[in-house]
Amino acid sequence: QVQLVESGGGVVQPGRSLRLSCAASGFTFNTYGVHWVRQAPGKGLEWVAGISYNGRSEFYADSVKGRFTISRDNTKNTLYLQMNSLRAEDTAVYYCARENMVRGADYYYYYMDVWGKGTTVTVSS
Amino acid sequence: AIQMTQSPSSLSASVGDRLTITCRASQGIRNDLGWYQQKPGKAPKLLIYAASSLQSGVPSRFSGSGSGTDFTLTISSLQPEDFATYYCLQDYNYPWTFGQGTKVEIK
Repeated sequence: QVQLVESGGGVVQPGRSLRLSCAASGFTFNTYGVHWVRQAPGKGLEWVAGISYNGRSEFYADSVKGRFTISRDNTKNTLYLQMNSLRAEDTAVYYCARENMVRGADYYYYYMDVWGKGTTVTVSS
Repeated sequence: AIQMTQSPSSLSASVGDRLTITCRASQGIRNDLGWYQQKPGKAPKLLIYAASSLQSGVPSRFSGSGSGTDFTLTISSLQPEDFATYYCLQDYNYPWTFGQGTKVEIK
């Protein structure tokens, strides 16, 4: 079945790095954009980053720009999030999500229709 | 970045109630808006995309409307499984931004 499974979370000290992975299965990964969304403890959802189906376009939230890098390996059906210079405020559950789109009358509509269960990142000394 | 403001932040309701949640964008976003439901400890679930299109498999008691800056999510008759937190998300331009969420609790 269509599935996304995140991994790579853990406890890391401030200033250190961590790489998250998201393994896709059950669909043609290289035809979909994918995103990372996070949720700090007791807080709302925050969109973090997105990448196009072919990896040529990347987009970031201001809060992570310059520190996080989203990438993908379509030969491995895997999405990544390289997180550098981690801060306490990066502590969150990180979800990956598939971007789907539908053609409207004049343009395309985008939405995140498949989500993983999340992986927890804790930044603490 | 476009700011998304949801109201109310929380509400108490009873099974069978009709519920409306609103989301306002800081600038026009056409109808590039989705609604997501999240239950505690679970991943978000897509309910509505393109402001008013019902995602496959989502019950018809959920509906969305709006365009430009003002949007609504309506639940026509609240069911026990609908008690959750609801988020709007603008995908008009990057960075995509969520509303702060509306927690729906049992009265």
